[in-house]
Amino acid sequence: DTGVSQDPRHKITKRGQNVTFRCDPISEHNRLYWYRQTLGQGPEFLTYFQNEAQLEKSRLLSDRFSAERPKGSFSTLEIQRTEQGDSAMYLCASSNSGRDTQYFGPGTRLTVL
Amino acid sequence: GESVGLHLPTLSVQEGDNSIINCAYSNSASDYFIWYKQESGKGPQFIIDIRSNMDKRQGQRVTVLLNKTVKHLSLQIAATQPGDSAVYFCAEKGDGGATNKLIFGTGTLLAVQP
Repeated sequence: DTGVSQDPRHKITKRGQNVTFRCDPISEHNRLYWYRQTLGQGPEFLTYFQNEAQLEKSRLLSDRFSAERPKGSFSTLEIQRTEQGDSAMYLCASSNSGRDTQYFGPGTRLTVL
Repeated sequence: GESVGLHLPTLSVQEGDNSIINCAYSNSASDYFIWYKQESGKGPQFIIDIRSNMDKRQGQRVTVLLNKTVKHLSLQIAATQPGDSAVYFCAEKGDGGATNKLIFGTGTLLAVQP
């Protein structure tokens, strides 16, 4: 199965620590998206890359959040100085330009103590 | 702060019955709509999608209906099985192509009784 993969699947951290998550998209997909999902809610868009360019960012993406996709393949999402409110499932999705279907990975569950 | 809704709308059906899950979308300029199934602890799984120039699209055991007049989307699942139990989300891609982000609805919990 060559779907979207995310690492780690679970992360527990203490408030104030930095965390970094990785996403590997489907290999031929040039678009990559990050979403955040809290319990009982639908995913909320954070940011989107086409190749290595970050083309769109949500206002949800505060200055403590940064995402990169340096070679247009995998992406990382870093959260600095984590807060309890950052506890959520962080989802990555990918798609091909010219096709709108976004395929999601299994997510990274972040718990901030 | 943001409130978290823990009580999803729930649809309870008997195994073998047909299920209809409804969704109201917000942006009349949205040109693409998609349904996802999400099981506990997993990422959303693509089910079916439809563009705004269509009213209906069928897949294997699933049909999506789009009513642009009232901004309503529905997902029909034929012969519902226990494995269909999950939370179902609709999502729209809006602004006539000006954005690629998906905006998700609240979600509906489908509970299939054996």
